[in-house]
Amino acid sequence: QSVLTQPPSASGSPGQSVTISCTGTSSDVGGYNYVSWYQHYPGKAPKLMISEVSKRPSGVPDRFSGSKSGNTASLTVSGLQAEDEADYYCISYAGSNKVFGGGTKLTVL
Amino acid sequence: QVQLVQSGAEVKKPGASVQVSCKASGYKFTSNGISWVRKAPGQGLQWMGWISAYSGSTNYSQTFQGRVTMTKDTSTSTAYMELRSLRSDDTAVYYCARDQRHALDIWGQGTKVIVSS
Repeated sequence: QSVLTQPPSASGSPGQSVTISCTGTSSDVGGYNYVSWYQHYPGKAPKLMISEVSKRPSGVPDRFSGSKSGNTASLTVSGLQAEDEADYYCISYAGSNKVFGGGTKLTVL
Repeated sequence: QVQLVQSGAEVKKPGASVQVSCKASGYKFTSNGISWVRKAPGQGLQWMGWISAYSGSTNYSQTFQGRVTMTKDTSTSTAYMELRSLRSDDTAVYYCARDQRHALDIWGQGTKVIVSS
């Protein structure tokens, strides 16, 4: 089982906003500003969408944003588009290692 | 361009070992670490461990401690991951990824490892 807790699924209609949570502890999410988010299409390599809680790498649409409060990090996708339908994973630095969330399947209705 | 290119698919018998390579190009290899992540069928992504491309120091996930070894060859800008005592549930796609301030910003294309008798 994964150390970080994500909802298994989330959904929204095109144009809507969806927020995916990632809950850990003070030893990982709450203890460091090193939470990152990844978009994963089946059969392809994951893609970094957000680093260090809220930094968006070059080329990632500004519809994607990240935040953190206490032991919970969040990824918000605004203005949902069909191509946003994918699996999303959070990962947090946890001292000497990293821990993943179980993943959230985002469906665009 | 910055890229990581992994070795090809492998089929192994239970109890065997597998080594996956990850060749970096387009950046200074020793400036970053390399993390290894796997995706088993029906499972989520799983972090296996990290190696400093500069010093060779490693951190392994407790899940794989004792079965995994990560190494690097600076002369060829290549990182390696060896997993021993393979079981059927090690069947997965294995990825290497450049570790940039604890985010994995560049990923290899993945290497499929099938463990079957």
